[in-house]
Amino acid sequence: DSGVTQTPKHLITATGQRVTLRCSPRSGDLSVYWYQQSLDQGLQFLIQYYNGEERAKGNILERFSAQQFPDLHSELNLSSLELGDSALYFCASSVATSEFYEQYFGPGTRLTVT
Amino acid sequence: SQQGEEDPQALSIQEGENATMNCSYKTSINNLQWYRQNSGRGLVHLILIRSNEREKHSGRLRVTLDTSKKSSSLLITASRAADTASYFCATGNNAGNMLTFGGGTRLMVKP
Repeated sequence: DSGVTQTPKHLITATGQRVTLRCSPRSGDLSVYWYQQSLDQGLQFLIQYYNGEERAKGNILERFSAQQFPDLHSELNLSSLELGDSALYFCASSVATSEFYEQYFGPGTRLTVT
Repeated sequence: SQQGEEDPQALSIQEGENATMNCSYKTSINNLQWYRQNSGRGLVHLILIRSNEREKHSGRLRVTLDTSKKSSSLLITASRAADTASYFCATGNNAGNMLTFGGGTRLMVKP
């Protein structure tokens, strides 16, 4: 158990809908990262927050947005969902923002868009 | 695009044998990390090697790094069926610590 929790574990929704994925980092970790894992794209970094502020952006679509709240939990919002958004979405956390800190991954949310 | 590319994509060995996975990357790095993922589950950090290190050990794991060739290898010695998983290399980015992952090596260890 990494200490990172993600909810829900599974999500099935229809195209055009909007969903919110939630992540609680390990106790004491200030940095939260979101990754998407799909068969065709592999593991891709989406976005990072550090202590409530956006720190880095990767291959995140404009239809996707995220935020980190004062209690450090984070939410990833996916809107106008398309079939291609079906994937595993992982949240990871680390104590700080240096690349020398390992990241702890949550169990993921499996999103299926039908 | 992926920074790291693992080789081979899939590897099948017998229990007790050693497994070697390779990773190549494109740009300069400060460190390289290896992660393991059991089917459909979250990634687990295995080892981090810094750019000024050439070799690192952790239990049955041995990682090497050759920055001149932009490559790294992960060796699992005396493999066990429980080592069956996908293994990913990842490189860090100075701007925000995002990780860029390779495509992974799927390792199957047969009992």
